[in-house]
Amino acid sequence: QVQLVESGGGVVQPGGSLRLSCAVSGFTFNTYGMHWVRQAPGKGLEWVAHISFDESFEYYADSVKGRLLISRDKSKNTIFLQMNTLRTEDTAVYFCARDFREYGGYATFDYLGRGTQVTVSS
Amino acid sequence: EVFLTQSPATLSLSPGERATLSCRASQSVSNYLAWFQQKPGQAPRLLIYDASNRATGIPARFSGSGSGTDFTLTISSLEPEDFAVYYCQQRQNWPPVTFGPGTRVDV
Repeated sequence: QVQLVESGGGVVQPGGSLRLSCAVSGFTFNTYGMHWVRQAPGKGLEWVAHISFDESFEYYADSVKGRLLISRDKSKNTIFLQMNTLRTEDTAVYFCARDFREYGGYATFDYLGRGTQVTVSS
Repeated sequence: EVFLTQSPATLSLSPGERATLSCRASQSVSNYLAWFQQKPGQAPRLLIYDASNRATGIPARFSGSGSGTDFTLTISSLEPEDFAVYYCQQRQNWPPVTFGPGTRVDV
């Protein structure tokens, strides 16, 4: 069955960096675009970033552009989110998510992981 | 950027009752709208995609309708496990993908 397992969260000071990982299994990783979605404490959902199935393009929310970087490693069936220059408002649970359709940037999510907590605090 | 509003913010109902949740977009999103359910401490779960299509494994009591700017999620008869927060999400002219603020369905 499809599984997405996030890791790498933790507590970091403002201005610091963190790298999140999402290991996937149960489907053909190389044919699906992937996303990161986050949820601040007690708040709603916010889309963060997307990477296409073939790494040909990436998209970012304006709130993270230039600070967060999405990537993927097909040899490890894993996607990453490199988080730099972190701010307190980046505090959230970060979910990785599979794009709904193979090959296409469908931009909705049929599977999400359980999430990893990132806390930015001094 | 397309902004989504959801109403009501909270819906207080009993098991067996019908739930009607609304999502309104700031501009037309055609039928590019999805609905998610989220329970405390869990990841969101896709219920409906493209306004009216149930995702795999979603019970028939969940239905979606609408197009353009006004959308509805209906739960025909609430089961105990349906009490949760529901989010709408649009993908018209993404990026960005945007979500509504959510509707909490309470007992």
